[in-house]
Amino acid sequence: GAGVSQSPSNKVTEKGKDVELRCDPISGHTALYWYRQSLGQGLEFLIYFQGNSAPDKSGLPSDRFSAERTGGSVSTLTIQRTQQEDSAVYLCASSFTGRETQYFGPGTRLLVL
Amino acid sequence: GENVEQHPSTLSVQEGDSAVIKCTYSDSASNYFPWYKQELGKRPQLIIDIRSNVGEKKDQRIAVTLNKTAKHFSLHITETQPEDSAVYFCAATGAGNMLTFGGGTRLMVKP
Repeated sequence: GAGVSQSPSNKVTEKGKDVELRCDPISGHTALYWYRQSLGQGLEFLIYFQGNSAPDKSGLPSDRFSAERTGGSVSTLTIQRTQQEDSAVYLCASSFTGRETQYFGPGTRLLVL
Repeated sequence: GENVEQHPSTLSVQEGDSAVIKCTYSDSASNYFPWYKQELGKRPQLIIDIRSNVGEKKDQRIAVTLNKTAKHFSLHITETQPEDSAVYFCAATGAGNMLTFGGGTRLMVKP
């Protein structure tokens, strides 16, 4: 079946603009994660959705970052007033439950000029 | 919450040698420990995982061991090949059934 998909694959924006990144998880997966990965660095946890529970937002680096998950499926990560330090690859992952194998999407490469 | 530490951060081995990467975790309730491999420019992909009811699991040249008492688990790669060169991440479940990742190990296999 289809894996996790993300769009756009690449995004170039100007400093101060807002961006929206989309994640389509594997159908039936109740858990969805967003990570940020800067060049050559590890996986920085951003936010975790599990079913209908309140999301764990503890990893969001500032109030410019927010995420939604509509209908328990598609998720959108929004970055407002982008800064150059927001440039990174944003990875989405989903799992059947939070405790199971995570399947990663291909990521969105964000460049803020 | 869960805290996962991974060592070493970089590891260089000669082709054919073994490589060992170690992780420790803090939450004694964690019971699922996957390992991911990330090749340059690609997404992380699961290579092996272990649950807390077993101590060791093998899949061809890779194996994972788990010591619940000491709260550490390790990845062993034998007969390393250049295509094993990648970044490897360990992870553990923690509070809220959430996976927490280690910082990653960059493995370089020299031909």
